[in-house]
Amino acid sequence: GNSVTQMEGPVTLSEEAFLTINCTYTATGYPSLFWYVQYPGEGLQLLLKATKADDKGSNKGFEATYRKETTSFHLEKGSVQVSDSAVYFCALSDRRYGGSQGNLIFGKGTKLSVKP
Amino acid sequence: DTGVSQDPRHKITKRGQNVTFRCDPISEHNRLYWYRQTLGQGPEFLTYFQNEAQLEKSRLLSDRFSAERPKGSFSTLEIQRTEQGDSAMYLCASSPTAGNTIYFGEGSWLTVV
Repeated sequence: GNSVTQMEGPVTLSEEAFLTINCTYTATGYPSLFWYVQYPGEGLQLLLKATKADDKGSNKGFEATYRKETTSFHLEKGSVQVSDSAVYFCALSDRRYGGSQGNLIFGKGTKLSVKP
Repeated sequence: DTGVSQDPRHKITKRGQNVTFRCDPISEHNRLYWYRQTLGQGPEFLTYFQNEAQLEKSRLLSDRFSAERPKGSFSTLEIQRTEQGDSAMYLCASSPTAGNTIYFGEGSWLTVV
């Protein structure tokens, strides 16, 4: 079945360090891929998405490229800030629900802590 | 828009009691989704609605779980005869249509003691 695997956390970085959070997926067909972020005490927010192979999603300095050949959607940021401390979730759209962006399969999440 | 609103934010209940959570979606959002998130895990899809029609029930965790959206606006998620394993955060989300980004509420934390 469809699934998402993310790198285990927590990840601790110093401010201005480079960030990579790995995400790979298993799916039939061509799902849409997402990164959601959950800041402390807040709800999940969409960070970025990509709907087809080779698409690059980007937002707030974060980027991820939909790689069909490696079934990956790794999240990267060139220079993290303390305010980026949060839990990051990789997700894919469940193909059983057509093109719905609301029926999602999530990874377990990766907690990022950025130290000043 | 005030965002997706969930109530209560925190609920502590004794095992065997019934609990109900309410979700108010963003105004005019037709799609409404319920997810459950346990500690250290990602959200798990439970059920969803298109207006008042519940389009998927089979992902609800057991027959103790039920959801309604009677007038196509707010929704309720009820858990009957709660068990300790039901302790989790219950998330609601909404979107204008199927193809749009969904917006999550802040969640309702349930602790069963």
